[in-house]
Amino acid sequence: DGGITQSPKYLFRKEGQNVTLSCEQNLNHDAMYWYRQDPGQGLRLIYYSQIVNDFQKGDIAEGYSVSREKKESFPLTVTSAQKNPTAFYLCASSRRDRVGTEAFFGQGTRLTVV
Amino acid sequence: DQQVKQNSPSLSVQEGRISILNCDYTNSMFDYFLWYKKYPAEGPTFLISISSIKDKNEDGRFTVFLNKSAKHLSLHIVPSQPGDSAVYFCAAKSGGTSYGKLTFGQGTILTVHP
Repeated sequence: DGGITQSPKYLFRKEGQNVTLSCEQNLNHDAMYWYRQDPGQGLRLIYYSQIVNDFQKGDIAEGYSVSREKKESFPLTVTSAQKNPTAFYLCASSRRDRVGTEAFFGQGTRLTVV
Repeated sequence: DQQVKQNSPSLSVQEGRISILNCDYTNSMFDYFLWYKKYPAEGPTFLISISSIKDKNEDGRFTVFLNKSAKHLSLHIVPSQPGDSAVYFCAAKSGGTSYGKLTFGQGTILTVHP
C-alpha cells in the first residue's frame, strides 16, 4: 500500500537534546512538507522540499533543520534551539507537476519535552 | 497574520441535519482550496477541494461553495452522521513556485449527536 510513514508515533526528549523525526513516503511524490500542530491552532508549515537536495523554510523554521537526500525521505530535526518543541508534528507529500493536487499526510509524531 | 480563518471553533448538530463549516481568507493569490478532516492523534485526511475557477464542487454528502468576491468558502455536509464528528480544517494554496504549500485555518470541531 502506498502511503506516508512517520516514526515514532510518540517521542520524549530531554531539554537541551536534539531529536530527529522520520518521514518516509512511497507515493513517488516529489514534494514533501513538515507541519506542526498546537492545541487550538491550525497546522503551521515548518519546512518544505519540492525536489531532492533542495528545501525551503516555511513560516516557523527557527529551531528546526531538515535534509532531503532521497526522494522518499524527509527527516526533521528538532534542535535544542527550538524554544517550545512540545507539539504534534505532521509530515505530508504531494505531486508538484500540477496545481490542485492535494497533500497526503502521515499519522503524526507527538513530541514531548520532559 | 492569519491568512485563512475559521472563526467558529466548534459546531454541534443533530444527526441527519446539515452541517455548515465556514472559512474566510485574505490572500487574493490563493487559487485552490481544500477541506481536511482530522481525528485526534491522527494525520488529516483529504475531503474535498475546489478551484478558484469554480463556485461549487460536490462529492456525495459533501459540497464546498466558494464566493471569491467575499473571499469565503463553506463546507456543507448533508445529512450529517455521528462518524463525521472530527476537526475540519480549511486550507488554501496559491500557484506559481509555491504551489503545494498549504495555509491552514485553525480548525472547527464538529460534533454530530445521534
